[in-house]
Amino acid sequence: RKEVEQDPGPFNVPEGATVAFNCTYSNSASQSFFWYRQDCRKEPKLLMSVYSSGNEDGRFTAQLNRASQYISLLIRDSKLSDSATYLCVVNTRDNFNKFYFGSGTKLNVKP
Amino acid sequence: GAVVSQHPSRVICKSGTSVKIECRSLDFQATTMFWYRQFPKQSLMLMATSNEGSKATYEQGVEKDKFLINHASLTLSTLTVTSAHPEDSSFYICSARDFQTSGELFFGEGSRLTVL
Repeated sequence: RKEVEQDPGPFNVPEGATVAFNCTYSNSASQSFFWYRQDCRKEPKLLMSVYSSGNEDGRFTAQLNRASQYISLLIRDSKLSDSATYLCVVNTRDNFNKFYFGSGTKLNVKP
Repeated sequence: GAVVSQHPSRVICKSGTSVKIECRSLDFQATTMFWYRQFPKQSLMLMATSNEGSKATYEQGVEKDKFLINHASLTLSTLTVTSAHPEDSSFYICSARDFQTSGELFFGEGSRLTVL
C-alpha cells in the first residue's frame, strides 16, 4: 500500500469553479502535512501546510482529519493560473524526517 | 525565503558515462538533503537521504554504487549517476529542509537527464 494516495485526475474545471482534492495517508504516526504545487517540468513548490484545525490562505483551504487519515484541499474561484499538479505530502518523523509524496492530482482550469 | 539551487538543469550524455549533479543550499545550512527521481507523469520517488559528513541512506531498490552521493559540506550535496543507461533518463530533484527558520522543505530546480 502506498504511503500517500491521491486521485490522479485530471480535474477539468471552468474558471471560477470550486474544486476539491483529497488525499489519504497510511501511517497513523505521520506528523506534518503539506500541499505542494508542481508546474509541468518544474520543481514542486509549497502551496500551504495543513494544520489540525484546518487553515485557509486566500482562495485555498486545507483540512486534516487525523482519525480518517485524510487531507483535503479546496480551491475557490479557480483561475487559469491554478492549472498545475497538486501534490499531497506527508512527513513521518523518523531518523531522517522523510517526506512521502502522493502521485499528484492534475488540475486544468479552462476559460 | 530559503533557496536551493541545482546544477545542471539539463544534461545529455552518452550511455556508459557518468554525470554529476550538484545541489546547494544558498542561504541556510543543510545537514540533510534529499534526492528524488521523477519519471513522466509520476510522483517524486525518494532515492536517498544525504547526510553531511557521513554516508547517505538509500531507499530500497536504489543501487548505492550506481547513484553515488557525497555531502561534503553543509551547503553542498552531489549525486553522481555512474555508467548511465537510457533507463536512468529522468528528472532528478534535490531538496533540503531549512530548520533554522520555518522547517519548510525547499526543492532545487531539478536536473533533467537524458542518456542516449
